[in-house]
Amino acid sequence: DGGITQSPKYLFRKEGQNVTLSCEQNLNHDAMYWYRQDPGQGLRLIYYSQIVNDFQKGDIAEGYSVSREKKESFPLTVTSAQKNPTAFYLCASSDSAGKSSYNEQFFGPGTRLTVL
Amino acid sequence: LAKTTQPISMDSYEGQEVNITCSHNNIATNDYITWYQQFPSQGPRFIIQGYKTKVTNEVASLFIPADRKSSTLSLPRVSLSDTAVYYCLVGRDSGGYQKVTFGIGTKLQVIP
Repeated sequence: DGGITQSPKYLFRKEGQNVTLSCEQNLNHDAMYWYRQDPGQGLRLIYYSQIVNDFQKGDIAEGYSVSREKKESFPLTVTSAQKNPTAFYLCASSDSAGKSSYNEQFFGPGTRLTVL
Repeated sequence: LAKTTQPISMDSYEGQEVNITCSHNNIATNDYITWYQQFPSQGPRFIIQGYKTKVTNEVASLFIPADRKSSTLSLPRVSLSDTAVYYCLVGRDSGGYQKVTFGIGTKLQVIP
């Protein structure tokens, strides 16, 4: 089955600790994204990556870092610099290489991070 | 990016047709209109996409007038399982990156 996996589903961390959220896709998509969603809110873009070894900041990148060493993997690290990290984190990918039209984004199941 | 405006919430009875309208006055020539559905604690799921006129798939229809400044998602005969948040997006590919913005969406509550 092709798709996106995120792990873990629930994550708890103590204040001041860094934590890494996993995102893996086997759809052979070039582009990958990380979003944050707070209760009752829409999705806000944290980082995105168009190709391996390249990524760009989204609208709320402060306190987060990413890497894209492999096409299928795009881990997100929530650092201690992120002031309010408790949220629902969603990873997505899209097949947009060489395409001119908009292509749908495929989302993972999400990771709910709670800072204690 | 074109800003979208849609109702924050809607209620509907089971079996009725639901129409959710989205306004996007500043849509660009290359922008597509896409709708996603999101259930609680899940990632959004693609429903339908269009550029102009009408598009229909097995789940919904999308109506886009000639000026493309608005669009209407139509869900026929909704059931309780259609209770979800529906997002209207306007965007395009930009060098391999999809420039879109997910707003607050419309929370649809289907009532028995």
